[in-house]
Amino acid sequence: DTEVTQTPKHLVMGMTNKKSLKCEQHMGHRAMYWYKQKAKKPPELMFVYSYEKLSINESVPSRFSPECPNSSLLNLHLHALQPEDSALYLCASSPQGRPPGNTIYFGEGSWLTVV
Amino acid sequence: DAKTTQPTSMDCAEGRAANLPCNHSTISGNEYVYWYRQIHSQGPQYIIHGLKNNETNEMASLIITEDRKSSTLILPHATLRDTAVYYCIVRVADLIMIYNQGGKLIFGQGTELSVKP
Repeated sequence: DTEVTQTPKHLVMGMTNKKSLKCEQHMGHRAMYWYKQKAKKPPELMFVYSYEKLSINESVPSRFSPECPNSSLLNLHLHALQPEDSALYLCASSPQGRPPGNTIYFGEGSWLTVV
Repeated sequence: DAKTTQPTSMDCAEGRAANLPCNHSTISGNEYVYWYRQIHSQGPQYIIHGLKNNETNEMASLIITEDRKSSTLILPHATLRDTAVYYCIVRVADLIMIYNQGGKLIFGQGTELSVKP
């Protein structure tokens, strides 16, 4: 089982709303990731959690707030977003360790539209 | 992280082999080559990876040149369902960096492969 589950699949929110994207995996992976993907562009890394601690923040604006409440869950809290934040948000996870044991697996993504 | 260069787009006839090239001339000794693909509106899917030897699995084969400066992903019998963007990614294998940073993937622009009937 290499499943990473993201909810919701689609989200429309206003610029003053607060919403959250959720990601779950039950593969025992201890690294989890958020990526953002705009149309016709490659995914861009936003955050990396390693053993439930934030290890990388790629200079993401504070209106995006990640949270890793336990080793299976990863949230992305959204507040005061702009229309240009509309994108596909991808969650991923991997085991820790060297290749070949640390392949990264992606969820299907959450489509976010900010109006 | 080493950079990769891929053609923007390629076409392939259904049933024929698709050969997708990737240049990674600045790759270092502790970096692996990974291939992912992304079918429209889906999450990226892992295909294969390698260090210096050629690799094969049920999806594809990976040929890495002896100097490791380039590689080729081969889909032996392309089908319409293989139409996707294919990403060649160089990824660090240093254990300390991985434990600290989770072995992140940094995507380049990729190759848009169109398999035609």
